[in-house]
Amino acid sequence: NAGVTQTPKFQVLKTGQSMTLQCAQDMNHEYMSWYRQDPGMGLRLIHYSVGAGITDQGEVPNGYNVSRSTTEDFPLRLLSAAPSQTSVYFCASRDRGEGYNSPLHFGNGTRLTVT
Amino acid sequence: AQSVTQLDSHVSVSEGTPVLLRCNYSSSYSPSLFWYVQHPNKGLQLLLKYTSAATLVKGINGFEAEFKKSETSFHLTKPSAHMSDAAEYFCVVSGGYSTLTFGKGTMLLVSP
Repeated sequence: NAGVTQTPKFQVLKTGQSMTLQCAQDMNHEYMSWYRQDPGMGLRLIHYSVGAGITDQGEVPNGYNVSRSTTEDFPLRLLSAAPSQTSVYFCASRDRGEGYNSPLHFGNGTRLTVT
Repeated sequence: AQSVTQLDSHVSVSEGTPVLLRCNYSSSYSPSLFWYVQHPNKGLQLLLKYTSAATLVKGINGFEAEFKKSETSFHLTKPSAHMSDAAEYFCVVSGGYSTLTFGKGTMLLVSP
């Protein structure tokens, strides 16, 4: 059971380039989310999804797009990278069965540097 | 609305001494609360969770936390620190299925 898988693990982009961070989970979780982690800021929610075809914005959505065509996958797109998007990105999922008692299951993160 | 405050950004202890990481929360609902641990360059791992079944919650690696509604606190403790406990710890409150709020983290430093 792989859990939550993120690719790539590391990425360097130049300002203005675009890329997609991949996230896949094999636990049949309906809820998936993307966070960014910056020193001293904790984790901040970018976008989340409560099921295929449904997405919503979190605390810091600007500069990022998401889509959810399947239950398993939840890619995060940077359309025009900026140095302010240098961060560590985590994908997480949770089971709907326990409702808000469900813990998040995290991937191992993608470390992104924008120069 | 909900919020989480981790009262210390850094905590330093000696190996073998007790650990106390403090977390206060506010929530309009009866929340669920979680503690996560993050070792360097790793993802976040669930330590324990409170879901109103019992106020004293035991987690992995000897950690436990006590939910105190009157104090709106959920402090994390361990009787005896180990070098491998050195990591960053996050307190999280969940007031709804799509609503989780993270504290800013407490870095635990363990010296020999």
